[in-house]
Amino acid sequence: AQSVAQPEDQVNVAEGNPLTVKCTYSVSGNPYLFWYVQYPNRGLQFLLKYITGDNLVKGSYGFEAEFNKSQTSFHLKKPSALVSDSALYFCAVRDSGGNTPLVFGKGTRLSVIA
Amino acid sequence: DSGVTQTPKHLITATGQRVTLRCSPRSGDLSVYWYQQSLDQGLQFLIQYYNGEERAKGNILERFSAQQFPDLHSELNLSSLELGDSALYFCASSVGQVLHFGSGTRLTVV
Repeated sequence: AQSVAQPEDQVNVAEGNPLTVKCTYSVSGNPYLFWYVQYPNRGLQFLLKYITGDNLVKGSYGFEAEFNKSQTSFHLKKPSALVSDSALYFCAVRDSGGNTPLVFGKGTRLSVIA
Repeated sequence: DSGVTQTPKHLITATGQRVTLRCSPRSGDLSVYWYQQSLDQGLQFLIQYYNGEERAKGNILERFSAQQFPDLHSELNLSSLELGDSALYFCASSVGQVLHFGSGTRLTVV
C-alpha cells in the first residue's frame, strides 16, 4: 500500500526567509509525486510533480521540490517566502505501476509572517 | 479556475436524508475522482471513473454511490446521512497524471 507522511502540522516562517515543507512517502514500485496547495474555501491547486528525470523539480509561484529516492522524500522548498504563500500544502503519491489512486498526506499549514 | 465545476457549493441536510453532488470535469478529461476532506481524516479517496466505467474504489461507504454519465459528468450519491458525513467533497478530473480539483461541496449534516 502507498502512503505519505507530512511530519509537521504547522510551519511558521518569516517573510523573505527560505521555507521547507517536508514529505516522505512509501510505495512498492516507483513513485509519482505531487504537491498541491489549498487556500481557504478553495479546491486544491497543482504546484508541481515528479514523474521521472531530474530530481529537482520546479513548479508554480517559485516553488521547487527535490526527489530523494534513498530517503524516500520529496520536500517542498522556496528560497524566499511571501505572506501570500500562507496556505495548506499537501504532498501526494501514487505508484507508477497499475491504476492506483493518488494518496494524500494530512497536509501542512504554512504561515508566513510579515 | 481549474475548469472542474461542482454543484452545489454548500448543502445542509438532516440525518437520514439523501443528497446528490454533481461534478462536471474539464473539457476532454475522461477520468473523474471523488475525494472526501474532513478535519480528522484528511483527504480520502472515494472512487474513480474513467469514461463511464468504475476504475478504482477507495474508502467509500456502502451508503455512498457514484456514477459517470455519457457526457462525462459525474454524480456522488450519499444516503442515510449521518453527522459524521459532514465534510468537504471534492471532485477532480484528469487526462494525464495531474488531477485538477473543483472547489468542492461543503456538506453539513444536522
